[in-house]
Amino acid sequence: EDQVTQSPEALRLQEGESSSLNCSYTVSGLRGLFWYRQDPGKGPEFLFTLYSAGEEKEKERLKATLTKKESFLHITAPKPEDSATYLCAGGQGYQKVTFGTGTKLQVIP
Amino acid sequence: GAVVSQHPSRVICKSGTSVKIECRSLDFQATTMFWYRQFPKKSLMLMATSNEGSKATYEQGVEKDKFLINHASLTLSTLTVTSAHPEDSSFYICSASPQGGSPLHFGNGTRLTVT
Repeated sequence: EDQVTQSPEALRLQEGESSSLNCSYTVSGLRGLFWYRQDPGKGPEFLFTLYSAGEEKEKERLKATLTKKESFLHITAPKPEDSATYLCAGGQGYQKVTFGTGTKLQVIP
Repeated sequence: GAVVSQHPSRVICKSGTSVKIECRSLDFQATTMFWYRQFPKKSLMLMATSNEGSKATYEQGVEKDKFLINHASLTLSTLTVTSAHPEDSSFYICSASPQGGSPLHFGNGTRLTVT
């Protein structure tokens, strides 16, 4: 059974304090590892897809990396508007994927 | 691009009534759409895969007679919660992707409250 585990469950940062979120996965034949951002009361918003170990992708203050067992979402000098729940998901296909429970990030001014 | 619209965003209904939720792909065609349910502090749980022109595929433990799915066209899927009960109260989200090799894009969800 595919499993995706995220840690920490919650993270509180001061504005400008960089950190990383972890996503460990056990997905046989992983085709893609996805990161999403979810704001309260909204659907997830797509951030990144990573396809193979060693791959990195960046978007503004976010950088996602992938190894054979886990993925990290690095947040550099976060701002309050980065506060959200970050979800990762993986699967053997691009559509039917397994989601982690997310990391709720709070960035304090 | 790849916008998925979901309606309504919130609905309150009485126990025993049915509620329909719509999911539309606005700028692409989707032969497959997905319906999820999300509980507080829990992961998105896949309920069913909606297939245009054929029956939906339900995940284990999801009652197909309670959660009716219709994929009437390449841009519209509907989820009907029949004879709703308070335990059906939840956040329902749909998703779709423009093509097989693209990531999923999600609607903004529907908060269902059954009183």
